Amino acid sequence: GIQVEQSPPDLILQEGANSTLRCNFSDSVNNLQWFHQNPWGQLINLFYIPSGTKQNGRLSATTVATERYSLLYISSSQTTDSGVYFCAVVNYGGSQGNLIFGKGTKLSVKP
Amino acid sequence: DTEVTQTPKHLVMGMTNKKSLKCEQHMGHRAMYWYKQKAKKPPELMFVYSYEKLSINESVPSRFSPECPNSSLLNLHLHALQPEDSALYLCASTLTESSGNTIYFGEGSWLTVV
Repeated sequence: GIQVEQSPPDLILQEGANSTLRCNFSDSVNNLQWFHQNPWGQLINLFYIPSGTKQNGRLSATTVATERYSLLYISSSQTTDSGVYFCAVVNYGGSQGNLIFGKGTKLSVKP
Repeated sequence: DTEVTQTPKHLVMGMTNKKSLKCEQHMGHRAMYWYKQKAKKPPELMFVYSYEKLSINESVPSRFSPECPNSSLLNLHLHALQPEDSALYLCASTLTESSGNTIYFGEGSWLTVV
């Protein structure tokens, strides 16, 4: 099956710093989403981005489908950005709900 | 409204108990899902319902029994669980199973089996 690799596994930032999280996937996809899981467990959808670039406030994401990777940019990080960031994909032709998750990047933002 | 609501948020149950987790969405989505997430691991798919019919069962033990009474509701019935079933159970929905659309998750139900 499709493999999803995220890097780095852990990231510690000082408040105000910028960061880039990476997601590599091993096969063609027709769904790629970035999620933020907060300490209470809720998975918050950040971007639906199977290709192209999107921005939402301090966050932006780029997916280069032909090269099978996606990047999540966090600028001017805040302590509330702490948590685990997951990249998840659906194999091309697969059931839309069958998200295959990477292992996540655990982000800690220090005040 | 992009909300998936799950109840209860926390549940502690004994190995002989019968309990249910509930999930509700009013976005008109026709595909709903149950995921299981163990500590420090990513979520893993358990069941897929498409137009109220079970579409995918990812080899889940029969002590977990899903039910989709209507297009807005999804239940997960629990019986004779084991301590290793303790996890965060996440419900999700999307417009349809076959289209490329955003998948929305609920806040999850934390289950502890004692």
